[in-house]
Amino acid sequence: DAGVTQSPTHLIKTRGQQVTLRCSPKSGHDTVSWYQQALGQGPQFIFQYYEEEERQRGNFPDRFSGHQFPNYSSELNVNALLLGDSALYLCASSFGTGLFAFGSGTRLTVV
Amino acid sequence: AQKVTQAQTEISVVEKEDVTLDCVYETRDTTYYLFWYKQPPSGELVFLIRRNSFDEQNEISGRYSWNFQKSTSSFNFTITASQVVDSAVYFCALSEGGYIPTFGRGTSLIVHP
Repeated sequence: DAGVTQSPTHLIKTRGQQVTLRCSPKSGHDTVSWYQQALGQGPQFIFQYYEEEERQRGNFPDRFSGHQFPNYSSELNVNALLLGDSALYLCASSFGTGLFAFGSGTRLTVV
Repeated sequence: AQKVTQAQTEISVVEKEDVTLDCVYETRDTTYYLFWYKQPPSGELVFLIRRNSFDEQNEISGRYSWNFQKSTSSFNFTITASQVVDSAVYFCALSEGGYIPTFGRGTSLIVHP
């Protein structure tokens, strides 16, 4: 039974570019949440998707957007990248108020 | 608003020592959940425990134990007889209503052989 899978595992982008990160939830999960984890910090909640709609959003600018597909997979898009966007981006899936299952993350470096 | 404080940034111990990781939380809700996660160098957050606000019973799982005290808003985590494989970053988290966990800044535990 595959857990949460994220791609790519690493990538390097230049300031001002746009990036798309992808997440496949654990089997049986229908909700996807995205977190940003800067170096030495705890994960910060970006947003959560359920039934293909953004259900809740953390304190992140509109440059951060997402999408959920009918198969429950999700994408996180970040526009106009800043150096400060360099971080580990974690995807978590869940069902109802059940436990979050986390992926291993995508490490984004903005240069 | 919910908040989690992990005052210990880094703890260094020698194998077989006991170690306690502190977690203090703030919430206005009467119904909430507390969590501990482990993050090894691979990056994945590994779930360790979830407790709800109505259950103050302490819990023991092998070498791990958790002490939940609502009177002091604390949910501390103790590892008994630490091992090198316990080296990781440990996060305490809180969710109001059981939905979106808010994480603390984490405590990096280094266990030396």
